[in-house]
Amino acid sequence: GAGVSQSPSNKVTEKGKDVELRCDPISGHTALYWYRQRLGQGLEFLIYFQGNSAPDKSGLPSDRFSAERTGESVSTLTIQRTQQEDSAVYLCASSPAGLVDNEQFFGPGTRLTVL
Amino acid sequence: AQSVTQLGSHVSVSEGALVLLRCNYSSSVPPYLFWYVQYPNQGLQLLLKYTTGATLVKGINGFEAEFKKSETSFHLTKPSAHMSDAAEYFCAVPRAGANNLFFGTGTRLTVIP
Repeated sequence: GAGVSQSPSNKVTEKGKDVELRCDPISGHTALYWYRQRLGQGLEFLIYFQGNSAPDKSGLPSDRFSAERTGESVSTLTIQRTQQEDSAVYLCASSPAGLVDNEQFFGPGTRLTVL
Repeated sequence: AQSVTQLGSHVSVSEGALVLLRCNYSSSVPPYLFWYVQYPNQGLQLLLKYTTGATLVKGINGFEAEFKKSETSFHLTKPSAHMSDAAEYFCAVPRAGANNLFFGTGTRLTVIP
């Protein structure tokens, strides 16, 4: 069966440009997470969607970051006016019910490079 | 706040040798603890998790971890390393009051033939 997919796999952009990253979760999974993985660092939580509830945006590092999710399907993470410190791998994960002991299924990530 | 610390960003072992990857959690007793593995050019996948009950947890690929409350540890072990175990390993714990995880900084395991 299909796992979590992300696109693009790689994105190179110039400082100041906006970028959109896409995540397709596993069908039927109500919970979706975005994480950022900087070189040599752990995964940094960004945002969490659970069904139709208000998203948990507590991990977004600045107002340049935003994310949307349509129902229980696709999510897009948007970074406006990118900065060099935004360079990282952005990981998306989904889980069946968003319970804290649920396994999270990860996509392969999008590697973002800001020049 | 819940957090985990992974000691050693890089660990090298010989093929066939014991694998020991260390993880310590913050002093508040966690409800759950996780180990995820990231193979080269792949997404993270769950290796094992501790919820309740038995403190020795067995996972995939021959790995296991033991929850030790007295030591606030959840170290990952495998008796005999295989070349295919080369990967990055992340320990994680739920954030207090949230439905997401706090991940450690990861340990990259290299297996020497």
